Amino acid sequence: DTGVSQNPRHKITKRGQNVTFRCDPISEHNRLYWYRQTLGQGPEFLTYFQNEAQLEKSRLLSDRFSAERPKGSFSTLEIQRTEQGDSAMYLCASSADRAKLFFGSGTQLSVL
Amino acid sequence: SQQGEEDPQALSIQEGENATMNCSYKTSINNLQWYRQNSGRGLVHLILIRSNEREKHSGRLRVTLDTSKKSSSLLITASRAADTASYFCAIGERGNTGKLIFGQGTTLQVKP
Repeated sequence: DTGVSQNPRHKITKRGQNVTFRCDPISEHNRLYWYRQTLGQGPEFLTYFQNEAQLEKSRLLSDRFSAERPKGSFSTLEIQRTEQGDSAMYLCASSADRAKLFFGSGTQLSVL
Repeated sequence: SQQGEEDPQALSIQEGENATMNCSYKTSINNLQWYRQNSGRGLVHLILIRSNEREKHSGRLRVTLDTSKKSSSLLITASRAADTASYFCAIGERGNTGKLIFGQGTTLQVKP
């Protein structure tokens, strides 16, 4: 399967701990996006990369959040000092044509 | 903040009936897209309509776009139980970074 892959699928952590999620996009896609989705809401844009360059970050992305895409391939999203309000589904998507996005299945984060 | 507002928030119909969902937005767009999400999963692209298009079809899906009213509608004809999901409109803003701004979604239940 050559779709977008996200790991882990589920993450339970205690408040104050750091967590890191990984996204492997479709191999030929140069654009990669991170979104956050809470129950009953649509996905909210967090950040996106074109190749290895992080071109835009949402104001939602506090200083505790950092994303990287070394070598323009996979991407990681790290949340430091997690808070209960960080509990959400974190979605990754990739695109080749700045139009249609292909989404992964997401990482469900629960902060206790 | 989210760009698209969807109506209704929830819709329940019988199998075989048609389902119509509406999306309104605020800014100028490059394109408007519709995505589907099954519970706990990632989003799947359904259809894209560009700002210079007024109607588009794909199988049982029909999308219309009225840029003067800043609104779009998604029609699913002859619905099936398998169409049960959440449906989101997503705005591709001018500037065409590829970033999409999602609405809050319409939850569709199709009863067999």
